[in-house]
Formats: sequence, structure tokens, C-alpha cells
Amino acid sequence: QVQLVESGGGVVQPGRSLRLSCAASGFTFRTYGMHWVRQAPGKGLEWVAGSSNDGTNKYYEDSVKGRFTISRDNSKNTLYLQMNSLRAEDTAVYYCAKVSGNYVDWYYFDYWGQGTLVTVSS
Amino acid sequence: QSALSQPASVSGSPGQSITISCTGTSSDIGGYNYVSWYQQHPGKAPKLMIYDVSNRPSGVSNRFSASKSGDTASLTISGLQAEDEATYYCSSYTSSNTVAFGGGTKLTVL
Repeated sequence: QVQLVESGGGVVQPGRSLRLSCAASGFTFRTYGMHWVRQAPGKGLEWVAGSSNDGTNKYYEDSVKGRFTISRDNSKNTLYLQMNSLRAEDTAVYYCAKVSGNYVDWYYFDYWGQGTLVTVSS
Repeated sequence: QSALSQPASVSGSPGQSITISCTGTSSDIGGYNYVSWYQQHPGKAPKLMIYDVSNRPSGVSNRFSASKSGDTASLTISGLQAEDEATYYCSSYTSSNTVAFGGGTKLTVL
């Protein structure tokens, strides 16, 4: 069965960096687009970044452009989110999510991980 | 402020039907048939309930249905059950090559 397991969250000071990982199993990882979606405490869902199946195409929400980098290692079935210059408003649970169709970068997410909490605080 | 607009809350009694609206623009809901709906219980990951405006994934109850008219999408849950109590999010692909979510609607089953 499809499993997505995020890791790498924690407490970090403003301006510092953190790298999240999402280990995937139960499907042919290299053929699916993958995304990161976050949820601030008590708030709604916010799309953050996405990657095509081969990592060639990358997409970012405006507030994270230039600070966050999405990448993937298809040999390790793992998705990453490198987060630099972190701000208090980046505090959220970060979910990785799988795109439903093969070789498609979008349009909805059929499987989600359980999330990893990132807290940006001094 | 979320890109798509949803009511903050709705409620209904067991057995009744409720409808949640989701309003966007011609750059998202109105421009594409890529509207999806997610259910989220407290402390849990979102679950896909509807995709491509009105399609249900395998395993989702046929009590859930959805549609779209112009820039507004709607989710209807019929025969409300206690387990339906959750927050529901609409989502749409956008012309900016992003995904927009609604602010979420908390459903209370009275």
C-alpha cells in the first residue's frame, strides 16, 4: 500500500535552515509528481511546492520562492524540501502529497503523509 | 486570505443533506475541471473525497457528490452521519501553475 513518511521537522530559530524528507513506498515513485502542502496551527491548507516525476519541473508558492527548494532522489524514493531563511510564518505541519496520475505534475493529491511539524521561534 | 472562498462552518442533523460552496475565479475553478475536495479530521492528514469536479475515488461513499457551475464548486453530503463531522477543503489547479485551497468548512453533525 502507498506510504508517505515525512521527517526532519523540529524547532528552529528565525533565519535558520531545515530540510524535510518524505520517504515513499508502495508505488513507482519515479513516475509520479510530488508536492508539499503545509498547515499552520489551527489554519487551513496551503500549497507550498511541487515537483514533476523526474524533478525537471519545479513549482513554488510566491511566499517561499527563493527560500525553499524542492528536490527528489528517485533512486531513494525520497522527496525533499530544503527550507532556508525561515520565518515565524513558516510554522506549520508540512505534508508531502502524491499526485494521482502517472507522469502528470498536477492536479490533485490522492495520498498524503501524516506530516511533520516545523516551528520557527527564537 | 485563501484563494478560494468557503463558508467557515455548516451543520446538519443525522440523515439530512448539506452543501458546501467554494467560490473562485476564471483563473482557477472557472477555467479548469480540476476541482477536488478533501476531508480532514482533527490531527489527521487530508483525505481525497472528490476529484475532477465530480468523481469519487474508490472507497468513498456515494453519499458524497459534487458539481461546478461557472466559478463556483459545490460539495453535497447526503444522509449525514456522525463520522462525516470534519473540515472540508476545496482545491483547484490555477492558471499560475499552482494549487489553490479554500479556507476550509467545518461540518458539525448535530
